Amino acid sequence: DAGVTQSPTHLIKTRGQQVTLRCSPISGHKSVSWYQQVLGQGPQFIFQYYEKEERGRGNFPDRFSARQFPNYSSELNVNALLLGDSALYLCASSLQTGTFYEQYFGPGTRLTVT
Amino acid sequence: GQQVMQIPQYQHVQEGEDFTTYCNSSTTLSNIQWYKQRPGGHPVFLIQLVKSGEVKKQKRLTFQFGEAKKNSSLHITATQTTDVGTYFCRVSSSNTGKLIFGQGTTLQVKP
Repeated sequence: DAGVTQSPTHLIKTRGQQVTLRCSPISGHKSVSWYQQVLGQGPQFIFQYYEKEERGRGNFPDRFSARQFPNYSSELNVNALLLGDSALYLCASSLQTGTFYEQYFGPGTRLTVT
Repeated sequence: GQQVMQIPQYQHVQEGEDFTTYCNSSTTLSNIQWYKQRPGGHPVFLIQLVKSGEVKKQKRLTFQFGEAKKNSSLHITATQTTDVGTYFCRVSSSNTGKLIFGQGTTLQVKP
C-alpha cells in the first residue's frame, strides 16, 4: 500500500503570497494532522481533521487554515506568508482521531519564503 | 498548558555505548508515543505506552512509562550507526486535542 503522500515536495514563495499544500492519507485512514517543523525542533501541531471536521488546533495564527475532503485528503493553506513560515510542513494520517492512534508521516513539503 | 521537556537535546556516543533520552511532562499523561526521525527524513512511529509503569522492548530499545504517568524514557543498548537520528516523544492535551511533540534528542554515533 502507498504511504502518505504530499505535494509539492519543495516550494519557494515570496512574502505576502499565499500557498496551498496537499496531503493524501494512507488508504483507510480517516484522520489527517498537519505539523510545522523548523530545523532543529520538534514538529509543531497545526491542525487535526477527522471526517472533514476540525478536531484540534495548535497555536498558529488565523493565516493558517485547512480542510479535509470526502476522500479524506487534506489541504493546508497559509495566507500572507512571512519569512518565519519557512519550514518543513508534515502531514500525518491515522486510522481515527485521538491520542491513541499511531501517526504515519508523509515526506513533507519544504517551504521557503523569501 | 500542557508542556513536555525532552533531555538531553544532543548526545554523542561511541558505537557500542548505551543511550537514554527522557521525556518529562508537567501533567499526567493518558499515553505517550515515541518516534524516530532520520536526518532528512520524516518521523516514524516506534512505540506507544499507555499503562503506569509499563515497559516495552524492541530488540535493543527499551521504553518505560513512569509510575505517575508523567515521564518516559527510551534506552538503547549497544548503539549502532543505524541508530543515528532524532528521537521524539509525543503526548496530547486532554482538553484541547493538541498533539505535542518534545523538542527531540539527537543521537550521533561514532563508529
